[in-house]
Amino acid sequence: DIQMTQSPSSLSASVGDRVAITCRASQSISNYLNWYQQKPGRAPKLLIYAAFSLQSGVPSRFSGSGSGTDFTLTISSLQPEDFVTYYCQQTYSTPFTFGGGTKVEIK
Amino acid sequence: EVQLVESGGGLVQPGGSLRLSCAASGFTFSSSWMHWVRQAPGKGLVWVSRVDSYGSSTDYADSVKGRFTISRDNAKNTLYLQMNSLRVEDTAVYYCARAHLYSSLSWGQGTLVTVSS
Repeated sequence: DIQMTQSPSSLSASVGDRVAITCRASQSISNYLNWYQQKPGRAPKLLIYAAFSLQSGVPSRFSGSGSGTDFTLTISSLQPEDFVTYYCQQTYSTPFTFGGGTKVEIK
Repeated sequence: EVQLVESGGGLVQPGGSLRLSCAASGFTFSSSWMHWVRQAPGKGLVWVSRVDSYGSSTDYADSVKGRFTISRDNAKNTLYLQMNSLRVEDTAVYYCARAHLYSSLSWGQGTLVTVSS
């Protein structure tokens, strides 16, 4: 199975800050990497697919990069609604494993 | 509007069975691969299973293989997850999800399964 290591597990930031969340795969997954946002008590929402493609309707302050084993989700300017949890997921091979999640908190 | 509505969750004793359903609307269900993902209370996301658009090809996480069965009825636009030999550690919110490009997922609202004596 492919292991996904997401870091940090949590971070504190302020509105307007630029933040980056990383995800490392235990083997190359090409660009089969998706990013999700989850608000408390809600279902996850797709932000980025195929490592860098922005899902329709997602604000452009979200961006993804990387290929192979190392990937990054960047939020260019944090907004109040962005202080929630983010997950990466590899879909290169089953089981389609998720990272452990990153909780973004207000400093 | 795309909608995925899960049902069938509830409280069940260890060793028991439960069947989850996911009613799909707003898209061509019969052309979509479908997945189940679960989330234990306060924990992260765990992929459970997927089925191809025909219902003929399936994959499972090792933790549920041999106990859970994914299936679909394209005539009814419904996805199922039959869960047998349930364990306390199966307690979670179960989400059904539609696969898009690169198997990226769009999700239903989830249904809670609690396994407890």
